[in-house]
Amino acid sequence: AQRVTQPEKLLSVFKGAPVELKCNYSYSGSPELFWYVQYSRQRLQLLLRHISRESIKGFTADLNKGETSFHLKKPFAQEEDSAMYYCAPPGFSGGYNKLIFGAGTRLAVHP
Amino acid sequence: EPEVTQTPSHQVTQMGQEVILRCVPISNHLYFYWYRQILGQKVEFLVSFYNNEISEKSEIFDDQFSVERPDGSNFTLKIRSTKLEDSAMYFCASSEAVRSYNEQFFGPGTRLTVL
Repeated sequence: AQRVTQPEKLLSVFKGAPVELKCNYSYSGSPELFWYVQYSRQRLQLLLRHISRESIKGFTADLNKGETSFHLKKPFAQEEDSAMYYCAPPGFSGGYNKLIFGAGTRLAVHP
Repeated sequence: EPEVTQTPSHQVTQMGQEVILRCVPISNHLYFYWYRQILGQKVEFLVSFYNNEISEKSEIFDDQFSVERPDGSNFTLKIRSTKLEDSAMYFCASSEAVRSYNEQFFGPGTRLTVL
């Protein structure tokens, strides 16, 4: 079964500090991975996806197949980055019909 | 920008009662999903729906749950006889297609409280 692990429930940093939110997955086949974010009182929304190799709001994520990781990074955290972050691969079961969410990491950026 | 909408935002019900949670997916999307999040726990997949039938369901989605697309716009989740443990946030989502890289767009959620 596919699994995704986000080992940190809470990551607390000061504004301007680098941030790394960890995500490890267990997967068979070539994975596609997403990071979703939920700001306070807002809906879950896509932050970035592996296939796009894009940088959104200064965040990047590199897929490391050797370590089976897809850590989310930002060099300088901002207060507005405070949110819940979820790593989510799509589930394999004859089709990509579902997202499997990690437990989530709450990022708190302090002034 | 089109968004997924959900009603009600909060539903309080007595144990054993039936509830229907409503969702309006984005209009050109073909794939619909329900997820739930019990307070303090992870977001869990319940069911996916395509072409008027369930394409996949989780072990949580037992006989007490059903989904329906009664018209061209609504997508509903029914819980026939609610239990205390059904208290959770329920999220509806939709996507254009079901390829691995397709984004799912989420609604704001319905908070269900079973007393």
